Amino acid sequence: NAGVMQNPRHLVRRRGQEARLRCSPMKGHSHVYWYRQLPEEGLKFMVYLQKENIIDESGMPKERFSAEFPKEGPSILRIQQVVRGDSAAYFCASSPTDIRAGELFFGEGSRLTVL
Amino acid sequence: GQNIDQPTEMTATEGAIVQINCTYQTSGFNGLFWYQQHAGEAPTFLSYNVLDGLEEKGRFSSFLSRSKGYSYLLLKELQMKDSASYLCAVGDYKLSFGAGTTVTVRA
Repeated sequence: NAGVMQNPRHLVRRRGQEARLRCSPMKGHSHVYWYRQLPEEGLKFMVYLQKENIIDESGMPKERFSAEFPKEGPSILRIQQVVRGDSAAYFCASSPTDIRAGELFFGEGSRLTVL
Repeated sequence: GQNIDQPTEMTATEGAIVQINCTYQTSGFNGLFWYQQHAGEAPTFLSYNVLDGLEEKGRFSSFLSRSKGYSYLLLKELQMKDSASYLCAVGDYKLSFGAGTTVTVRA
């Protein structure tokens, strides 16, 4: 049973370009979460999605960031017009139900470097 | 909001015991989680406490006191592979994480 799959593992972008990070949850999981980890800081919640629905995006910056989890295919975290401050590790996690009933399963992360 | 504090670093000897403390202040409480994260890897779940008391799972135990806003993770019989960052987190689907405690196990 494959774990949470994220790609790309490493991504380099120049300022102003777009970054797209993909996440396939564990088989049977319908809840997806995105977290961001800056150097020397804790993981910060960004967004919680179920299939075709954004449940909570309170941790997402208001501009340039968007997330989706379509009926078919992986969840996508999209960052438009990247800036140096977007350089971080972006982790996706999934769970079979919401976290109240269990733990999160994290992917290996996508490390974005903005030049 | 949430405020979670844990020590930045700890060092211990192989075979010893280490206790990582975590204090938290939250507007609501739905559970406390401990995760392990090796450098450059995914955080992996270790334990979950929602009621006061001690939860034991092999060499790892986690304790919670809700009235004190306090938890600790106890690692016994330390092994070299236990060198990692240990993350304390509170919440439900929206977890708030501490910055992590880097544990270094020395031979």
